[in-house]
Amino acid sequence: KQEVTQIPAALSVPEGENLVLNCSFTDSAIYNLQWFRQDPGKGLTSLLLIQSSQREQTSGRLNASLDKSSGRSTLYIAASQPGDSATYLCAVGGNKLVFGAGTILRVKS
Amino acid sequence: GAGVSQSPRYKVAKRGQDVALRCDPISGHVSLFWYQQALGQGPEFLTYFQNEAQLDKSGLPSDRFFAERPEGSVSTLKIQRTQQEDSAVYLCASSWRGGGPGQETQYFGPGTRLLVL
Repeated sequence: KQEVTQIPAALSVPEGENLVLNCSFTDSAIYNLQWFRQDPGKGLTSLLLIQSSQREQTSGRLNASLDKSSGRSTLYIAASQPGDSATYLCAVGGNKLVFGAGTILRVKS
Repeated sequence: GAGVSQSPRYKVAKRGQDVALRCDPISGHVSLFWYQQALGQGPEFLTYFQNEAQLDKSGLPSDRFFAERPEGSVSTLKIQRTQQEDSAVYLCASSWRGGGPGQETQYFGPGTRLLVL
């Protein structure tokens, strides 16, 4: 059974810092890995999707990497802003989409 | 067009009451998914439709949970004889093609927050 773990559970940083969120998964037989953002009381917004054959994806200040063989992914956020404050969820796509519990990020101004 | 919409946004039910949660996917999306998200946890897969066909219902926690999508667009998740452990946010998502639940980007609605007293 696929299990997804995200570290840290919560993170508080001052504005402008670069930061890394970690995601690990137990079964490397995946179609893709996705990073989502969830704001309080709202649904999930897809940030980046990495296909299993890819190593990384970039969108603006976000960069996500995937090492399928070791079961790890990282989400790098450059020059963090208060508007980045949210819960970040990692999900692996196999026969089902399996989510981690998320990292709660707070960027202080 | 508009994104995925869900109604109601909030529902308070007494234990034992039946509830029905509605999802309107993005127009033209073939696939529709339901997830349950407990407080402080990530969403957990419940069920998946491709058009009107329910292809996977392995995540439904009990036979009190029932989902349908009779015309291949709007979907309803019904919970019979609600229990306190059913309290959660129920998220609906849709995707363009008919790929499996983990194969392509899903677009999520805002969720229905269910509280069972």
